[in-house]
Amino acid sequence: GENVEQHPSTLSVQEGDSAVIKCTYSDSASNYFPWYKQELGKRPQLIIDIRSNVGEKKDQRIAVTLNKTAKHFSLHITETQPEDSAVYFCAATGQGGKLIFGQGTELSVKP
Amino acid sequence: DVKVTQSSRYLVKRTGEKVFLECVQDMDHENMFWYRQDPGLGLRLIYFSYDVKMKEKGDIPEGYSVSREKKERFSLILESASTNQTSMYLCASSLSGFDEQYFGPGTRLTVT
Repeated sequence: GENVEQHPSTLSVQEGDSAVIKCTYSDSASNYFPWYKQELGKRPQLIIDIRSNVGEKKDQRIAVTLNKTAKHFSLHITETQPEDSAVYFCAATGQGGKLIFGQGTELSVKP
Repeated sequence: DVKVTQSSRYLVKRTGEKVFLECVQDMDHENMFWYRQDPGLGLRLIYFSYDVKMKEKGDIPEGYSVSREKKERFSLILESASTNQTSMYLCASSLSGFDEQYFGPGTRLTVT
């Protein structure tokens, strides 16, 4: 069935370091890959997304890369700050346009 | 600014009760979704709807039903609540199936 695997489940970095979260998906027809950030007690919010006709997208300190052949995509956060601490979810489109979410990564940025 | 609201932030119900969770969006979005969020399991899709009176099963529809009588409102119904339905329930809406989903604040449901 449709599946998105996300790793690692927890990630702890020092402020200023980079953080990388990786996801793999099973449906080769997936063509939209968003990333959501959920701060403690708040709702998930979109931070960046990429479509299948693009290999990389960057927005200030965050970037996403997509490898369609290998069916994996990654989120890169550079120069991490304490306010980056949150749970991050990757997702990929499944049949009918629904989103299949990964299990989430709890990122902790230590000052 | 898209606004998605949910009827309750916290809800406590007894086993066997019928439970209604309501979601309203104000941006004329076609698509609406219900997820449940459990630690370590991410966001799992229960049901979604692409249009009024339309509904599609998600990945975990068992024990749930939905209703969409108006475009802006999508209701999740637990016909007979059970303890394993204790969870955080999140509603979302989007313009299309390939656009950003906007989430509501969530309802933390406890079934005792």
